[in-house]
Amino acid sequence: KNQVEQSPQSLIILEGKNCTLQCNYTVSPFSNLRWYKQDTGRGPVSLTIMTFSENTKSNGRYTATLDADTKQSSLHITASQLSDSASYICVVIIQTGANNLFFGTGTRLTVIP
Amino acid sequence: DVKVTQSSRYLVKRTGEKVFLECVQDMDHENMFWYRQDPGLGLRLIYFSYDVKMKEKGDIPEGYSVSREKKERFSLILESASTNQTSMYLCASSPWDRDYEQYFGPGTRLTVT
Repeated sequence: KNQVEQSPQSLIILEGKNCTLQCNYTVSPFSNLRWYKQDTGRGPVSLTIMTFSENTKSNGRYTATLDADTKQSSLHITASQLSDSASYICVVIIQTGANNLFFGTGTRLTVIP
Repeated sequence: DVKVTQSSRYLVKRTGEKVFLECVQDMDHENMFWYRQDPGLGLRLIYFSYDVKMKEKGDIPEGYSVSREKKERFSLILESASTNQTSMYLCASSPWDRDYEQYFGPGTRLTVT
């Protein structure tokens, strides 16, 4: 079982609409959580990073939330644009170990005109 | 801005060939990483390196080796390519004390026929 679960796997929305992507994790001890955006055929680019004490972090039209008690995070995209079409990957970092990054499998978002 | 470059965007090789994937970063980062990314599986760590001439196995090192002769360069080697190594390969780098703060290259789409 993947220790970082993302939902939905894929999503299609109309341009201008809002959407929310989910990330649930089981790994511990938690250090921080990052959301990456990956355009087709490109490497991931960081959108937000959140530590244990942060509940919300915004980056333009992207807003990430974190509930460390329930081990859930969400990425909300406001007023979607065609350029938002990409995969969004949730990464949970734990405090210990050399290999301490746990990747979700991503949500594929398609924004249509 | 951190820049991570990979030698090829697309590569087609035959089964049994030796394949070299090169990665170069320009931010003097100590840590470098090689991942492969497959649909439905997310990013999986192959090898990483915390210093020149140093390497550590990740989650799926079988069939791969690496070389780090210079700080800025990290090479992934497929000694005898097989069709199940067809994948997207992503290189990343990070500062020594923040291995969670990874910057990714654009990726190499490798096809083994």
